[in-house]
Amino acid sequence: QKEVEQNSGPLSVPEGAIASLNCTYSDRGSQSFFWYRQYSGKSPELIMFIYSNGDKEDGRFTAQLNKASQYVSLLIRDSQPSDSATYLCAVPGMDSSYKLIFGSGTRLLVRP
Amino acid sequence: ETGVTQTPRHLVMGMTNKKSLKCEQHLGHNAMYWYKQSAKKPLELMFVYSLEERVENNSVPSRFSPECPNSSHLFLHLHTLQPEDSALYLCASSQDTSGGGTGELFFGEGSRLTVL
Repeated sequence: QKEVEQNSGPLSVPEGAIASLNCTYSDRGSQSFFWYRQYSGKSPELIMFIYSNGDKEDGRFTAQLNKASQYVSLLIRDSQPSDSATYLCAVPGMDSSYKLIFGSGTRLLVRP
Repeated sequence: ETGVTQTPRHLVMGMTNKKSLKCEQHLGHNAMYWYKQSAKKPLELMFVYSLEERVENNSVPSRFSPECPNSSHLFLHLHTLQPEDSALYLCASSQDTSGGGTGELFFGEGSRLTVL
């Protein structure tokens, strides 16, 4: 069984700062990685996915992959209070991308 | 109605009760899922259905019984639950279950279950 590890936090950053969220994974063969955001009392929503062929930027969000150290990062530039949420990292199961293995999530708090 | 809807949003039941959770997706997806979310623990995949056929039963106790009458509806029947089953139960759907996809799951708002 693959494992996905995240620091539970909370990670507290001031508004406007860069928030850096990390996720380590156990299977060296993992090829794709997903970041979900979950606001308190709400359901998770996919905000970013990255494949093993490079980093990805989408607006204020950047996903970076370090295959040698087996971790993937999500950077949030110009953090806003509305970014305060729990961020879940996920990797596909061994047999299909539909079977996602989730980390327990990192809670981010952006202070105004 | 859009997206994935779940009812009830909150449920309190005794250990001897029988209840059901309902999920409906309006996205035209072919795959539906049940996940369990407990505090401080990762989302746990429970069941996966593809075109109404169960393709995954992730070692879930038999006191949880899923039903998928069609590709838009998914139920989770509950009976003789234990207090440790108290959690948020999330339904999700995706376009299909083929590999190499974006891995995008569309989640419902969840059913918060409390077992007394």
